[in-house]
Amino acid sequence: GAGVSQSPSNKVTEKGKDVELRCDPISGHTALYWYRQSLGQGLEFLIYFQGNSAPDKSGLPSDRFSAERTGGSVSTLTIQRTQQEDSAVYLCASSLAVGSTYEQYFGPGTRLTVT
Amino acid sequence: ILNVEQSPQSLHVQEGDSTNFTCSFPSSNFYALHWYRWETAKSPEALFVMTLNGDEKKKGRISATLNTKEGYSYLYIKGSQPEDSATYLCAPSNTGKLIFGQGTTLQVKP
Repeated sequence: GAGVSQSPSNKVTEKGKDVELRCDPISGHTALYWYRQSLGQGLEFLIYFQGNSAPDKSGLPSDRFSAERTGGSVSTLTIQRTQQEDSAVYLCASSLAVGSTYEQYFGPGTRLTVT
Repeated sequence: ILNVEQSPQSLHVQEGDSTNFTCSFPSSNFYALHWYRWETAKSPEALFVMTLNGDEKKKGRISATLNTKEGYSYLYIKGSQPEDSATYLCAPSNTGKLIFGQGTTLQVKP
């Protein structure tokens, strides 16, 4: 079956512009997670959704970052007024449900470059 | 905030060598530990989810053990092959979100 998909795969944007990153989770997966890996850093958690609700937004680095999920499916991560430090690979993952023992399935990521 | 440490940071071995890596994490409030393999230009792929102290899991030539009391897990690869070249990530989880270590990057030379 179809895995997690993300679009675009690559995005180059100018500093100060807004960007939207999209994630399509595996059908039927109620949990959806966003992570990112900045250059030289490990994978860091940003936010997760249970259905359309986001119980934990603690990883969002600033109020320029927001995310939503609609219909319990597609999620969009929006970064406003992008800065160079936002350059990273943004990964989305989904799992059957929220919980520490559920395996997460990752998408291929969006590589964001802010010039 | 969980502090997750992995060692070594990188490893170069010859084809056929066996190797192992370590993941250390706070033992308090432990629920589960995940191991992932992340190959270049691919998505991270789940290897194991471990929950019980003393648990050992195996997938082909790869196995992992877990010690929740002292807060560590070992990942073993027996008879490394070039296709095992990847970054191996561990991530404890107690709410669902994964807190990743920096990873161990393995390079297997033919």
